Amino acid sequence: DQQVKQNSPSLSVQEGRISILNCDYTNSMFDYFLWYKKYPAEGPTFLISISSIKDKNEDGRFTVFLNKSAKHLSLHIVPSQPGDSAVYFCAARDSGGGADGLTFGKGTHLIIQP
Amino acid sequence: AAGVIQSPRHLIKEKRETATLKCYPIPRHDTVYWYQQGPGQDPQFLISFYEKMQSDKGSIPDRFSAQQFSDYHSELNMSSLELGDSALYFCASSFRTVSYEQYFGPGTRLTVT
Repeated sequence: DQQVKQNSPSLSVQEGRISILNCDYTNSMFDYFLWYKKYPAEGPTFLISISSIKDKNEDGRFTVFLNKSAKHLSLHIVPSQPGDSAVYFCAARDSGGGADGLTFGKGTHLIIQP
Repeated sequence: AAGVIQSPRHLIKEKRETATLKCYPIPRHDTVYWYQQGPGQDPQFLISFYEKMQSDKGSIPDRFSAQQFSDYHSELNMSSLELGDSALYFCASSFRTVSYEQYFGPGTRLTVT
C-alpha cells in the first residue's frame, strides 16, 4: 500500500515557466515532508522540507505548499531551468512515532524543454 | 562541504555469496540510515542507527545485518545473496537533534548474478 503517492510519472515544462509537482499521502501520522531531486547514478539530493504546522515554505526558486486537510503537497519551481531536469521524490516522516525512515513516493521525472 | 561517502560504488556478486557495503556519514551527523532502491522503485528504508545504537528497523531481510562503529561509519552486511537483492543501496545521514533532513550518499549498485 503506497502511503506517499506521486501520480504523475513524468512532467514536461518549458524553460522559464513554472513546474508544479504534486504529492498525496494517506498516513495522517506523517508530520514532516521533504522533496528530493535525483539525477541518474547519483543519490537523492535534499531540496526543501516543510513541517505540518506550516502551509508554505520557500527557498529561492523552490516553494512547497502543504494542504493537511487534503493530505496533499506540491513543489513549485519558478522559473524552471534546464538543470532542473531530474526525478523528484516526495518523502514523508512520522516523527512522533519514533520511526526514523522516510517513506518515499515513486517519483516524477521532470523534463525542462528549451 | 563534506558529503556522505559510500563504498564500493559498484559490486558484482554471485548468488549465495556475501557482500559488505560501507558508509561514512557527514562529520558530526549522529544518525545513519540505509535504504534499498530496486529498479523503477522508490527507496525503501532498511535500518537506522543513532549514536551507534540501532534506532529503527524497516523492511530489512533477516539475511542482512548492519552496525555503526565508534567512528560513526556504518556497514551493511548481506549474506546468502539472491537475484532479487540486485538494487541501489543508499546510505543517508542526519543531525537528528537539529533537523529531520537526511542527506544521501551516491549509492552502491549491487548486482547479483
